[in-house]
Amino acid sequence: GQQLNQSPQSMFIQEGEDVSMNCTSSSIFNTWLWYKQEPGEGPVLLIALYKAGELTSNGRLTAQFGITRKDSFLNISASIPSDVGIYFCAGSDQGAQKLVFGQGTRLTINP
Amino acid sequence: DTGVSQDPRHKITKRGQNVTFRCDPISEHNRLYWYRQTLGQGPEFLTYFQNEAQLEKSRLLSDRFSAERPKGSFSTLEIQRTEQGDSAMYLCASSAPLNTEAFFGQGTRLTVV
Repeated sequence: GQQLNQSPQSMFIQEGEDVSMNCTSSSIFNTWLWYKQEPGEGPVLLIALYKAGELTSNGRLTAQFGITRKDSFLNISASIPSDVGIYFCAGSDQGAQKLVFGQGTRLTINP
Repeated sequence: DTGVSQDPRHKITKRGQNVTFRCDPISEHNRLYWYRQTLGQGPEFLTYFQNEAQLEKSRLLSDRFSAERPKGSFSTLEIQRTEQGDSAMYLCASSAPLNTEAFFGQGTRLTVV
């Protein structure tokens, strides 16, 4: 079945640093979504991508839909303490309604 | 609109008991999804509804699991004869017509003892 490989699994950074994480798929997706999840809560949608090569920003977050349609990345600029959490990529292929999720990147920020 | 609502937030049950969870989607969303998430993993798809029709079920959804959405609004997920391996966070999400963007509820954490 479809699998998403997300890396890195965890990151420990200093406040103010930029963060980059990525997600690769074994098959082509036509939609990529990025979510953030905090302990005990459901995932919150951050950014949605629909076209290969698309670059979309949401405040300090920027995400790109890879040209091959098999990867996506998320950047966070000038990290702040409230960015702490687990970030998940998710994708769906044409005709499918379900999302396939990566394993998550746990972000920890040292003040 | 208060977003996707799930009830209860937490459930502790003894092995072998039946449990039922409820999900109220965002009101104008016709698609409703159930996912399961275990510790350290991303959510895994269980099933989804378009209006009242259950259109896809994962092979993760054993015959002890049943989901309904009788009037195309709220949904219930029932687990019969719970096992310790059923312990997980059960997440509900909904999306608008012709839109893949799924919005999640806060989840129901199930612990089977």
